[in-house]
Amino acid sequence: ETGVTQTPRHLVMGMTNKKSLKCEQHLGHNAMYWYKQSAKKPLELMFVYNFKEQTENNSVPSRFSPECPNSSHLFLHLHTLQPEDSALYLCASSAGLADSDTQYFGPGTRLTVL
Amino acid sequence: AQTVTQSQPEMSVQEAETVTLSCTYDTSESDYYLFWYKQPPSRQMILVIRQEAYKQQNATENRFSVNFQKAAKSFSLKISDSQLGDAAMYFCAYRKMTGANSKLTFGKGITLSVRP
Repeated sequence: ETGVTQTPRHLVMGMTNKKSLKCEQHLGHNAMYWYKQSAKKPLELMFVYNFKEQTENNSVPSRFSPECPNSSHLFLHLHTLQPEDSALYLCASSAGLADSDTQYFGPGTRLTVL
Repeated sequence: AQTVTQSQPEMSVQEAETVTLSCTYDTSESDYYLFWYKQPPSRQMILVIRQEAYKQQNATENRFSVNFQKAAKSFSLKISDSQLGDAAMYFCAYRKMTGANSKLTFGKGITLSVRP
């Protein structure tokens, strides 16, 4: 397994709930990412952080709110989600944002919105 | 915009045999990276192999090798001596070489099963 962990691994929530996904990397990296993986679709990049600063928001709806308190931790706060938001949410990290920096992925959180 | 196409949703291979997974991409760039990632069931996605577009030599990593055809914009993955642990979803990905902050563009993936 890589040095990127995610909790919880599975989450079921109603549309009115508020929940948070957590990602932690133990690789000493400076960049962290959130991806959404839906069935039969390519991975979609959601957010990118570098040295705790958001560098990319890929037109993600405001019901998804990221937080990066330090280079090792990344959160995704969820509120008033829709059933179509059900997906596998993957966190990744890399040493930096250089092209040559390989991204290392976590195991993902399987989210189901009822 | 760059696109990555994996037209085969599923493939199957007999254990110990060789299988080739196809990937094509579209780009107007001349310098870029190509990747194959493996995602086993309920496990983390890991990098299998990486190819720099400026390198003519095909990348290899043990039983994994690529056939990179730059003119055809094709980047296939060959798995030799297939093992049961190779069963997974495989994603082809592209990243242009800009110096910084370039996104990974993924294909839809292909599910590989290995028959014992």
